[in-house]
Amino acid sequence: LAKTTQPISMDSYEGQEVNITCSHNNIATNDYITWYQQFPSQGPRFIIQGYKTKVTNEVASLFIPADRKSSTLSLPRVSLSDTAVYYCLVGDLRGNTPLVFGKGTRLSVIA
Amino acid sequence: NAGVTQTPKFQVLKTGQSMTLQCAQDMNHNSMYWYRQDPGMGLRLIYYSASEGTTDKGEVPNGYNVSRLNKREFSLRLESAAPSQTSVYFCASADRGGNTIYFGEGSWLTVV
Repeated sequence: LAKTTQPISMDSYEGQEVNITCSHNNIATNDYITWYQQFPSQGPRFIIQGYKTKVTNEVASLFIPADRKSSTLSLPRVSLSDTAVYYCLVGDLRGNTPLVFGKGTRLSVIA
Repeated sequence: NAGVTQTPKFQVLKTGQSMTLQCAQDMNHNSMYWYRQDPGMGLRLIYYSASEGTTDKGEVPNGYNVSRLNKREFSLRLESAAPSQTSVYFCASADRGGNTIYFGEGSWLTVV
């Protein structure tokens, strides 16, 4: 199982770009990197997924270096509504491996 | 689209009582999961099922049993509830050909 390590918490002001890095030193060849967002009293929801290099969608970007031992979620111009816990998940949804979440990063956006 | 449906949403149990949390998904997914989340903590995998008829232990399986009744349903049973099992329980499902896990809305369980 690919274990992940993230900062426990981060603070940011509204309008700033936030980068959250996740370490996953033992990532396997078939593993994808997926980031989830969780608000209080709700289940996590998908933000973005990637395998290597850079992926961008309407809400975030994901940067993955060539060795894939880490990844960085980038949230452009955060707002108060981005205050949540962000989880990095490494695994192969195409196989039978269990999907184990790390402890997540609690992002607090300040006005 | 219902997605992943969990019942009940809230439950209070006395120590030693048993109960079953029900989960059903309507997305024809192969894999299903049960997680627990304690207050202010991350998600911990209890059990998972890669396909109908198979189940495997996750990180914290002690005190729980599961049944993959069919492709749609994956239930979690507490045989003798303990206060340490007070938590929010999330069921999730995933398709091997897909790119994400879909979560239910959670079941809040309190054991007194």
